Amino acid sequence: AQSVTQLDSQVPVFEEAPVELRCNYSSSVSVYLFWYVQYPNQGLQLLLKYLSGSTLVESINGFEAEFNKSQTSFHLRKPSVHISDTAEYFCAVSGNRDDKIIFGKGTRLHILP
Amino acid sequence: DTGVSQDPRHKITKRGQNVTFRCDPISEHNRLYWYRQTLGQGPEFLTYFQNEAQLEKSRLLSDRFSAERPKGSFSTLEIQRTEQGDSAMYLCASSLAGGYGYTFGSGTRLTVV
Repeated sequence: AQSVTQLDSQVPVFEEAPVELRCNYSSSVSVYLFWYVQYPNQGLQLLLKYLSGSTLVESINGFEAEFNKSQTSFHLRKPSVHISDTAEYFCAVSGNRDDKIIFGKGTRLHILP
Repeated sequence: DTGVSQDPRHKITKRGQNVTFRCDPISEHNRLYWYRQTLGQGPEFLTYFQNEAQLEKSRLLSDRFSAERPKGSFSTLEIQRTEQGDSAMYLCASSLAGGYGYTFGSGTRLTVV
């Protein structure tokens, strides 16, 4: 069975500073990994995904995540955050392309002025 | 296509009453998922359909919960004899089989008083 652990429930960071949101997964089979974002009062949106190939994946708004099989991690990073990045971020895993997605508990990103 | 639609957005009900939620997926998506999200938690998987077939139900889904997707298009989630513990955001998502990552609706917030 797959599971996801998000190590931080909240991460405060100053505007324009870098940020890393940590995610570790466990899976007994091949793994597909996702980051979803939930902006205040909005639904969940897919931010980026790892399916295969390059271990570094990027989103259109400057986030990136790296699949690290040896450390079973898929940490999300951004070199410089903006106030508009304030949101809750969910790491998620699936055991195959057609399986349900299992979500972590989320990390709330607070951007400090 | 306007994405995944859920109705109603909010529902307040008295304990013991039955409630039904509706989800309209993206029209070409053959997979439809129901999740539940409580405060401070990530989405928890409830059930999913491929076309009209219900392929999996979570053990979280008690006998009071039933979901249908009668013509492989929209879906309904019914909760009978609601309890205060059923208060949560109920999320619907859709995808193509083998298509990687979901599109979520905005959710239905249920409050049981």
